[in-house]
Amino acid sequence: QQQVKQSPQSLIVQKGGISIINCAYENTAFDYFPWYQQFPGKGPALLIAIRPDVSEKKEGRFTISFNKSAKQFSLHIMDSQPGDSATYFCAARRGISSGSARQLTFGSGTQLTVLP
Amino acid sequence: DGGITQSPKYLFRKEGQNVTLSCEQNLNHDAMYWYRQDPGQGLRLIYYSQIVNDFQKGDIAEGYSVSREKKESFPLTVTSAQKNPTAFYLCASSTLRGGDSTQPQHFGDGTRLSIL
Repeated sequence: QQQVKQSPQSLIVQKGGISIINCAYENTAFDYFPWYQQFPGKGPALLIAIRPDVSEKKEGRFTISFNKSAKQFSLHIMDSQPGDSATYFCAARRGISSGSARQLTFGSGTQLTVLP
Repeated sequence: DGGITQSPKYLFRKEGQNVTLSCEQNLNHDAMYWYRQDPGQGLRLIYYSQIVNDFQKGDIAEGYSVSREKKESFPLTVTSAQKNPTAFYLCASSTLRGGDSTQPQHFGDGTRLSIL
């Protein structure tokens, strides 16, 4: 119920291409879905986030697509650049009504490599 | 600049030894979290705290202990009971006020713990 499944584990994309990372969840108590970007030796940094009442959110080259009925959400990176090479984590947070401290449940991560 | 400071960056533990990882934040955040990161497994929650002098176990609390004597500080002790402590440890914080857009978790740059 608490798991967030992320795929693929690794992804190699040519410069200028589109990178797509997918996540799926089971727990309908999740009400907030952020994506984090992590560079080697650094902590994750929030990239973009979405709530389930919205089907898409775009910030620059980064877009989250959300399918509530399928319990799936994905990150699209348009015009991928070598500087985007990093590990990406999806996450989900339980709502207030679930009685939790609203902590995050993370996917297992996707290592993205963008070739020059 | 506001942020989260974790120290040390690298730490080595001998068998049977307890070690303490430091986490300090100057973001005036109410909540603080400790995660463990292993390759291919994403981030797993160890402990979290929403208020001074109170903390809750996360998904993998066994072999770890924490304290929250000050709002700014949330140290993690890896005890000798933790049989596989080699990992990258991440501290995070978040506010508990306002809407979801003001509640992202901010991460420190981690401490890498290894066994001698």
